[in-house]
Amino acid sequence: DTEVTQTPKHLVMGMTNKKSLKCEQHMGHRAMYWYKQKAKKPPELMFVYSYEKLSINESVPSRFSPECPNSSLLNLHLHALQPEDSALYLCASSLQPDGDQPQHFGDGTRLSIL
Amino acid sequence: DAKTTQPPSMDCAEGRAANLPCNHSTISGNEYVYWYRQIHSQGPQYIIHGLKNNETNEMASLIITEDRKSSTLILPHATLRDTAVYYCIVRVAINNDMRFGAGTRLTVKP
Repeated sequence: DTEVTQTPKHLVMGMTNKKSLKCEQHMGHRAMYWYKQKAKKPPELMFVYSYEKLSINESVPSRFSPECPNSSLLNLHLHALQPEDSALYLCASSLQPDGDQPQHFGDGTRLSIL
Repeated sequence: DAKTTQPPSMDCAEGRAANLPCNHSTISGNEYVYWYRQIHSQGPQYIIHGLKNNETNEMASLIITEDRKSSTLILPHATLRDTAVYYCIVRVAINNDMRFGAGTRLTVKP
């Protein structure tokens, strides 16, 4: 069981659609993360939010737009995606951005772009 | 951050200890060693982490060599449910961009 909840679990969308992925945690964590994972590959960091502010953007294309409305919620807005963006999108959180505490992951949203 | 090297795959008999090695020869003094695993169709699961001393929790033990250039994750009594990809990661505590390597695919066999 994971304490980081991601919705939806599966999403199929066309290249012209706009959709959003949602991530929620109620552990009081102040750092939240988005990762992208292609099949048979390790997760790759996309974005980091520290105290609700974007602190790291790993040169992610602008068709991915993150948002952190409050300390418990993290969104990833998707627009005009490409077929190569099909992947598992993982959210994680940690207690603080700058401590040794581990990251806790959700089970991801499996995204397919038609 | 320092990089890690792990064998791509390992097998282990059910009920036996699984010993997963990780090489991090360029680790710096303020970098921690973290272990995660990822079971098929799930998100990565935190297992254990340490800086210098050996660590043990309900899931596993972490043995770090004195020079800190390598470590071993020990699952004392492997079960079929321990079949997963195991990732060894090193990072500085103040730096929260965690980088995953290729990991070790552990298969526990009956």
